Amino acid sequence: SQQGEEDPQALSIQEGENATMNCSYKTSINNLQWYRQNSGRGLVHLILIRSNEREKHSGRLRVTLDTSKKSSSLLITASRAADTASYFCATEGNFGNEKLTFGTGTRLTIIP
Amino acid sequence: DAMVIQNPRYQVTQFGKPVTLSCSQTLNHNVMYWYQQKSSQAPKLLFHYYDKDFNNEADTPDNFQSRRPNTSFCFLDIRSPGLGDAAMYLCATSLLAGETQYFGPGTRLLVL
Repeated sequence: SQQGEEDPQALSIQEGENATMNCSYKTSINNLQWYRQNSGRGLVHLILIRSNEREKHSGRLRVTLDTSKKSSSLLITASRAADTASYFCATEGNFGNEKLTFGTGTRLTIIP
Repeated sequence: DAMVIQNPRYQVTQFGKPVTLSCSQTLNHNVMYWYQQKSSQAPKLLFHYYDKDFNNEADTPDNFQSRRPNTSFCFLDIRSPGLGDAAMYLCATSLLAGETQYFGPGTRLLVL
């Protein structure tokens, strides 16, 4: 299975601090994506990073990808209470045109 | 706004009573997915359609069936729901398999 594992499983930080979540996967990938899920809702796409990219930014989000270590990290800077959610990484295998395999998720809680 | 719509948002059914969940999209995406998500777990892919081509996951129970009568609509049929089928069911679409997925809000199924 290529399922990613995320670390930590749960993270609680004070509002304004930075939050870092990590994702590891097992086989070569074409791209890696991060999604957010608020409780009881669908997933929302955050960032897609391709295997030939090392870093990507979107607003307060920064994603890195290290294909040699088969790992990725998601950094949320200056966290806000509204960032409280579960965050999932998902990978597409390197043959392209494949389904995504989701990681186990990190539950992030921002304490006001 | 283009979006993925799921109806109903909440569905209560009785043990063994067939139930159908629906999903529609206005994105005109080629690929549609059905996921099952249980509490605090990653979404688990049940099947996906690439256009009209149906792709079943190996571990999807026979109790689950799907139909995609046209580009816009996709249905999930649970022929004889068991207590273990209570979960959130998420529909998603993507232009191409492996690319960014757009999720609906989900249907929470309760089996009595």
